Amino acid sequence: SQQGEEDPQALSIQEGENATMNCSYKTSINNLQWYRQNSGRGLVHLILIRSNEREKHSGRLRVTLDTSKKSSSLLITASRAADTASYFCATDAETSGSRLTFGEGTQLTVNP
Amino acid sequence: NAGVTQTPKFQVLKTGQSMTLQCAQDMNHEYMSWYRQDPGMGLRLIHYSVGAGITDQGEVPNGYNVSRSTTEDFPLRLLSAAPSQTSVYFCASSRSGDDYEQYFGPGTRLTVT
Repeated sequence: SQQGEEDPQALSIQEGENATMNCSYKTSINNLQWYRQNSGRGLVHLILIRSNEREKHSGRLRVTLDTSKKSSSLLITASRAADTASYFCATDAETSGSRLTFGEGTQLTVNP
Repeated sequence: NAGVTQTPKFQVLKTGQSMTLQCAQDMNHEYMSWYRQDPGMGLRLIHYSVGAGITDQGEVPNGYNVSRSTTEDFPLRLLSAAPSQTSVYFCASSRSGDDYEQYFGPGTRLTVT
């Protein structure tokens, strides 16, 4: 079963706009991670936020985590056409060791 | 470092055939895993390993076998291919323990006819 559910399934914006993707999960976690997948390629790690953190930044990425609501959001600011990709959240549950459980992803299209 | 490598990139099998998907990493990572990704879906865990000689089942293990004789290699065997195993297969590795990112290979696109 999928631990994470992402919203929206698809998002289309113009270059320069911000993109926000949301992820909800079901069990207690050690951390939550976001990955990007360009069409036909492997996944690339973007950012990891630990369960005791509430917000984290990396370049144009901002991730928030609300463990009381079991939800996270990924914000990409000033989007570029090169940001077009699928974005997945993945949770490392407290009892899972190193295993990650992935959501179904958000397909982001950034139009030039 | 080559990172995580997978071979082959593409494969077509007939129902009932067997094959092995190869995965290797050169980062001395203890943890390795296999996922499958079906169209429009996220990744589902097939099998994983926390070190040489140790493997365990993930969410969708049926029809697949793994072994881990070395730290570097983690092959995935399809015993008798079925059309339901048509998918893209990804191998990943990471350090063991909490709070480590996973590194993914480029994937193997498998079609079973």
